[in-house]
This record gives sequence, structure tokens and C-alpha cells, in this order.
Amino acid sequence: DIQMTQSPSSLSASVGDRVSITCRASQSISNYLNWYQQKPGKAPKLLIRAASTLQSGVPSKFSGSGFGTDFTLTISSLQPEDFVTYYCQETFGTPYTFGQGTKVEIK
Amino acid sequence: QVQLQESGPGLVKPSQTLSLTCTVSGGSISSTGFYWNWIRQHPGKGLQWIGYVSFSGSTFYNPSLKSRVVMSVDTSKNQFSLKLSSVTAADTAVYYCARGIDSSGTSDYWGQGTLVTVSS
Repeated sequence: DIQMTQSPSSLSASVGDRVSITCRASQSISNYLNWYQQKPGKAPKLLIRAASTLQSGVPSKFSGSGFGTDFTLTISSLQPEDFVTYYCQETFGTPYTFGQGTKVEIK
Repeated sequence: QVQLQESGPGLVKPSQTLSLTCTVSGGSISSTGFYWNWIRQHPGKGLQWIGYVSFSGSTFYNPSLKSRVVMSVDTSKNQFSLKLSSVTAADTAVYYCARGIDSSGTSDYWGQGTLVTVSS
């Protein structure tokens, strides 16, 4: 199975900050990488697919980059509703493994 | 707007079979190109893809669960279902159904999730 490692596991930031979350795959996965946002008690929401394609309806403050084994989710200007948990997911091959999550907390 | 809703028992005894149904509204489960996923999340933990079923009934399961999982689709009811046999406490989780935009496990619409607890 492909292992997905997110870093950091948590981070503290302030409203208006620009933050980046990294996801590393244990082998090359081309651009087969999604990013999801999950609010407490809610289902995940697809933000970005194929590493850099913004899902319809998602604000442009979210962006994704990367190819091969290293990927990044960037949030350009944190707003209060963005202080939640983010997951990456590889879609290169089953079992479509998710990362362990990154919790973004208010400083 | 597509909506999905999970239903089923919230409590299952060890060694028994967990059965959940997902009802799709606002769209047809028979629409070509979509795959219908089940994903679970252990309490306070990350996400695990369980598998998918297509509108035609073809399935693909997570190898770690394959021996215990059966998924099916009922197009007449616009529903799909999950059965997980021989459950243990390790199967206690929030179970989500979700629409896959293709066979890659990428899910764009999700149900709200349902907590299933395995306990005697």
C-alpha cells in the first residue's frame, strides 16, 4: 500500500496568515492526489483534485501543487472557518489511502 | 443538488454483520461515470476508504477488508448498501457514503455520516 504522510500534524496560525500543509507519498503517484477539508462533526469536503484542480465552488484562496511524491496545500489568507482539519488522499491505486490529517488551530 | 443519507443500526454486536444503506436524492444512481463509495473514520482518527460499487453492480474493495465486505446497488430505490461481516470493536467508526466522480475514490458529495458502535 502507498503510505501518505502529512506534515505538520497540527499548526497554529492567525487570521489572515498564509499557511502550507505538506503531503508526502511513499512512492510516486504522479498527480493523483486530492485534498479534503473536514469540520468537526461533519463529512469531509473535496477542495482540490488531481493535485492542483480546484473543485467547483471552492474559494480560490485554496491552492494545491506538487507531483510525484511531494504535494502542498496552501491557504492564502486564513479565515475563522478555515481552522479545521485537512486530509490528503492518494488516488493512484487502491486502497486510496488518506493522510493522517493536519489540524489548523488559531494561535 | 445531490444528497446522500446513510441509514442503519447504530449498534452491532461483535461477530455479527454491520448493514448500512445510502439513499441518494437529487440525482440518479444510474448516471454513468459515477461510483458509489463507502468510507469510514474511527473515532478521533483518520479516514479509510472501504470500497465502491458502480451503478451496474461492479465492485472494488479495500484489500484489508475485502474478505468481510459486500456492497450492492438497488437502482429502483436509488440506494446502495454496505455489509461488513464478523465485526469487532475495531470496526466501531463513523461510516460515510459518498459519490465518486470516477473509479479513483475521489468523492465530491458525502452523506453526513453515521456512527456504528460494535459492542455487546
